[in-house]
Amino acid sequence: DTEVTQTPKHLVMGMTNKKSLKCEQHMGHRAMYWYKQKAKKPPELMFVYSYEKLSINESVPSRFSPECPNSSLLNLHLHALQPEDSALYLCASSQGSLGPYEQYFGPGTRLTVT
Amino acid sequence: KNEVEQSPQNLTAQEGEFITINCSYSVGISALHWLQQHPGGGIVSLFMLSSGKKKHGRLIATINIQEKHSSLHITASHPRDSAVYICAVLVGSARQLTFGSGTQLTVLP
Repeated sequence: DTEVTQTPKHLVMGMTNKKSLKCEQHMGHRAMYWYKQKAKKPPELMFVYSYEKLSINESVPSRFSPECPNSSLLNLHLHALQPEDSALYLCASSQGSLGPYEQYFGPGTRLTVT
Repeated sequence: KNEVEQSPQNLTAQEGEFITINCSYSVGISALHWLQQHPGGGIVSLFMLSSGKKKHGRLIATINIQEKHSSLHITASHPRDSAVYICAVLVGSARQLTFGSGTQLTVLP
């Protein structure tokens, strides 16, 4: 199984809503990543979890709150987002974080903030 | 100057043509990824290379570490190959990928 799954596929939320994105992998990978991708741009790294601990936070606003409850699951909690946060949010995983290890990406969650 | 440069930015080909996408980088790397992204979709990892050449089906990826250059070749291209192809590098033991800006490939039937 080389699959990273993400739910939901699409999400529309208002600026006062609280929602969560979910990412799951069952490859035994110990590093998981959140990326944000705007249209026609490459992905931008947001967070890296290594062995369930946050190891990199790329100066992401606090309205994005990551959580790694176990080695297979990664959540991104969203609160008080702005319209400019509308983007494709991609999750990825790799065997470890001190590479080089291949990263496997999920299908993404298309987020629209109204 | 970006650390990872891809060329061309856009490429249109006829079905069956041989396609080459190039990636140059300016830093020392531990590995290079070639990724594929279909419109509105997630990213698929095609190859991870540290040296030499890899082949998977109609796709071939090569890397020249001394020249800091990699190429992705598609033989007998097909409309379903239409996608954005992204080169990304791992610098040293860094945990993050540095991405190129992508090449939009359109294969016409």
